[in-house]
Amino acid sequence: ETGVTQSPTHLIKTRGQQVTLRCSSQSGHNTVSWYQQALGQGPQFIFQYYREEENGRGNFPPRFSGLQFPNYSSELNVNALELDDSALYLCASSFGQYSTGELFFGEGSRLTVL
Amino acid sequence: EDKVVQSPLSLVVHEGDTVTLNCSYEVTNFRSLLWYKQEKKAPTFLFMLTSSGIEKKSGRLSSILDKKELFSILNITATQTGDSAIYLCAVGISNFGNEKLTFGTGTRLTIIP
Repeated sequence: ETGVTQSPTHLIKTRGQQVTLRCSSQSGHNTVSWYQQALGQGPQFIFQYYREEENGRGNFPPRFSGLQFPNYSSELNVNALELDDSALYLCASSFGQYSTGELFFGEGSRLTVL
Repeated sequence: EDKVVQSPLSLVVHEGDTVTLNCSYEVTNFRSLLWYKQEKKAPTFLFMLTSSGIEKKSGRLSSILDKKELFSILNITATQTGDSAIYLCAVGISNFGNEKLTFGTGTRLTIIP
């Protein structure tokens, strides 16, 4: 059984650029959630995908968008990067539409915006 | 606005001590409360609680939920240096079919040998 994997692990971008982060869900899971964790803070919910459709969204602007593919892997895209977007981006997978149970997290992608 | 508050923010104890971490919440449409341990990057699951008064145990760790007073505690007995980590409390919320976890800021626990 493979766990949740994310790529890249680290990246550096400049203000105004765009970034794509990738996540492969754990085998057998069909739901992916994305969280942003700023330094010294708890993770904040960005959005969730269930069977390729967005199934809930947190308080993030539209420049944060995502996709889920038929194999249940997922992408997080952020356009027009701002300095405050610097954070650890965590992907979590689970089974079923309801993601208020145990989530399995990946190691995260650490984004630095200069 | 949904709120999850953890205390203390930081705690330093000696190996062998017992610690209690607190989590209080004010949310609508509560479904669950979860505890995670975050050592480097990936939070790892410890407990999920949905019913009041039922203690969950795993080795030296235990947790209980009080849905009337809206809080949970995580106890760690006979602490070891490997327990040093950030402990995150998260509340599962369901809102018109949209589900999410709302996290607290975490408690940073440091165990001194």
